[in-house]
Amino acid sequence: AQSVTQLGSHVSVSEGALVLLRCNYSSSVPPYLFWYVQYPNQGLQLLLKYTSAATLVKGINGFEAEFKKSETSFHLTKPSAHMSDAAEYFCAVAYYNQGGKLIFGQGTELSVKP
Amino acid sequence: DTAVSQTPKYLVTQMGNDKSIKCEQNLGHDTMYWYKQDSKKFLKIMFSYNNKELIINETVPNRFSPKSPDKAHLNLHINSLELGDSAVYFCASSQVEDSSGANVLTFGAGSRLTVL
Repeated sequence: AQSVTQLGSHVSVSEGALVLLRCNYSSSVPPYLFWYVQYPNQGLQLLLKYTSAATLVKGINGFEAEFKKSETSFHLTKPSAHMSDAAEYFCAVAYYNQGGKLIFGQGTELSVKP
Repeated sequence: DTAVSQTPKYLVTQMGNDKSIKCEQNLGHDTMYWYKQDSKKFLKIMFSYNNKELIINETVPNRFSPKSPDKAHLNLHINSLELGDSAVYFCASSQVEDSSGANVLTFGAGSRLTVL
């Protein structure tokens, strides 16, 4: 079955510290992979995507993610957290010829302490 | 100029009522979606339309009926509302990226439905 697991429903970091949000997928074929961010009372905004080109993907706001097929992972990182990064982060997968259907992980709430 | 717009943003209603949420996109995308986000923030696809044709229906109760009058609009009508329908409903649209075959979704701001 195709699924996405985000380890940790809540992650707290200090301002300036490394951000690491974990995502693992489960499927026999490599999917398209996405990270979306949701700020309070807003819709989802695309941070970055992996679509079988470079395995290290750079996104907006200084975020990046690396696709590791051997680990079936697509973890999201940012070297230095900013207060404005506090939000809910969703990892999602999609597969070729499935009409763009996104399967989301459970989400990880990122808190940034001053 | 909002790319994917939903109305209303907030909707409070009584059990048993019928309500609609409207969605419009001005991106020229061919595919539109409805997603439901529950109280634990879990997101799940409900429906998808491509050029007014239903292509995804994820075992949603028959009380939910999507309608797409044209490829820029996808409305969601809900009959006989139940307490469990309380959620945030997100509309999205997408276009297949030529180079990879991936659809990249653009989401609306959401419509928060509260059933009392």
